[in-house]
Amino acid sequence: GAGVSQSPSNKVTEKGKDVELRCDPISGHTALYWYRQSLGQGLEFLIYFQGNSAPDKSGLPSDRFSAERTGGSVSTLTIQRTQQEDSAVYLCASSLAAVGGSIDYGYTFGSGTRLTVV
Amino acid sequence: KNQVEQSPQSLIILEGKNCTLQCNYTVSPFSNLRWYKQDTGRGPVSLTIMTFSENTKSNGRYTATLDADTKQSSLHITASQLSDSASYICVVSNRGSQGNLIFGKGTKLSVKP
Repeated sequence: GAGVSQSPSNKVTEKGKDVELRCDPISGHTALYWYRQSLGQGLEFLIYFQGNSAPDKSGLPSDRFSAERTGGSVSTLTIQRTQQEDSAVYLCASSLAAVGGSIDYGYTFGSGTRLTVV
Repeated sequence: KNQVEQSPQSLIILEGKNCTLQCNYTVSPFSNLRWYKQDTGRGPVSLTIMTFSENTKSNGRYTATLDADTKQSSLHITASQLSDSASYICVVSNRGSQGNLIFGKGTKLSVKP
């Protein structure tokens, strides 16, 4: 597709349930990022995938959060045993990033998934 | 600690007026600084990207400035339009860390007719 696609756009789940959020990056973009945007807060980095390299998971807030990127394209962010504080907009972005390179490519964001834990 | 602070938190202006949004950062080592516009319910969209050596960059009615010595940036919007109503986010990239963008909390701009 022409842009970064995220699904679902909205998700309401009960506390304690698991959820999966999906991101389809722009075709050919090797870098993929997940961010969380809580109400009134700036975007919080969660995880970063670059090509076949090991992902940078340093932003994941707890072991309930995990992410995969299959075939270097689609990514899934999984939140297990959801808590009310997990309620936020989860944004995915992709980029033509060169690992260790000096060129900084632009980032294209998806529209996000609004997660509400009740 | 790497931080990006934006001011004001929110701003209301009349259509046709100009405004300036501020961004102060303490990020080291610095790679570049971006301004994003985020419409309600949408992902952020890039307006400008500025590197260490650039002082000013324009994109239509948007003009960004960067003072790398004082670690300050501003986004000036000229002749505002109703469609400018959005959150404007300042983002600083930490050199050497491809995955590390430090985001400000944004300035919520409302343009009234």
